[in-house]
Amino acid sequence: GEDVEQSLFLSVREGDSSVINCTYTDSSSTYLYWYKQEPGAGLQLLTYIFSNMDMKQDQRLTVLLNKKDKHLSLRIADTQTGDSAIYFCAESRNTDKLIFGTGTRLQVFP
Amino acid sequence: DGGITQSPKYLFRKEGQNVTLSCEQNLNHDAMYWYRQDPGQGLRLIYYSQIVNDFQKGDIAEGYSVSREKKESFPLTVTSAQKNPTAFYLCASSTRYGYTFGSGTRLTVV
Repeated sequence: GEDVEQSLFLSVREGDSSVINCTYTDSSSTYLYWYKQEPGAGLQLLTYIFSNMDMKQDQRLTVLLNKKDKHLSLRIADTQTGDSAIYFCAESRNTDKLIFGTGTRLQVFP
Repeated sequence: DGGITQSPKYLFRKEGQNVTLSCEQNLNHDAMYWYRQDPGQGLRLIYYSQIVNDFQKGDIAEGYSVSREKKESFPLTVTSAQKNPTAFYLCASSTRYGYTFGSGTRLTVV
């Protein structure tokens, strides 16, 4: 299909790890991205990974890329209440044009 | 500081009226985009522009119009032909390393 797919909701306990998954469609995508959106705000770029990489780590964030399965994941270690937001994955298909997933709403409870 | 400014933050429109949403960036980015966000549907591309005086339709361009007379500015007009314009509108500009988003305009038809 043409869609970038994500599960709609994820609920985790504070201090646990969160894993947000994404399935994309275009094997020729050069970069894959994770964005965070807090209520009533725009999207904030969290991290991106180049398609020739398998993993990228940035502090509490770990991105895993499985090109064979076209699967991207974002792991947030030691999840905090401030991590509660909507998380979007996105793939680049043509020059400068991104296709966004439907977003995963992460809820962190005490 | 460089960034993207969207205005107004909230906008109310009567049925049958056209309204224009402003988007200005001082990042010197060539490419700019307009997205519409509805609950549970992620971001859908309305229009994009990769260079001044040129723009292309996205996936849901009907009922919308844009102009790109200056590199810094990419205003979006929501016309009376758009049957369901109530939504959150996001403007973005980009390089290959990712998008920078504005804080959004929430449009409500009254």
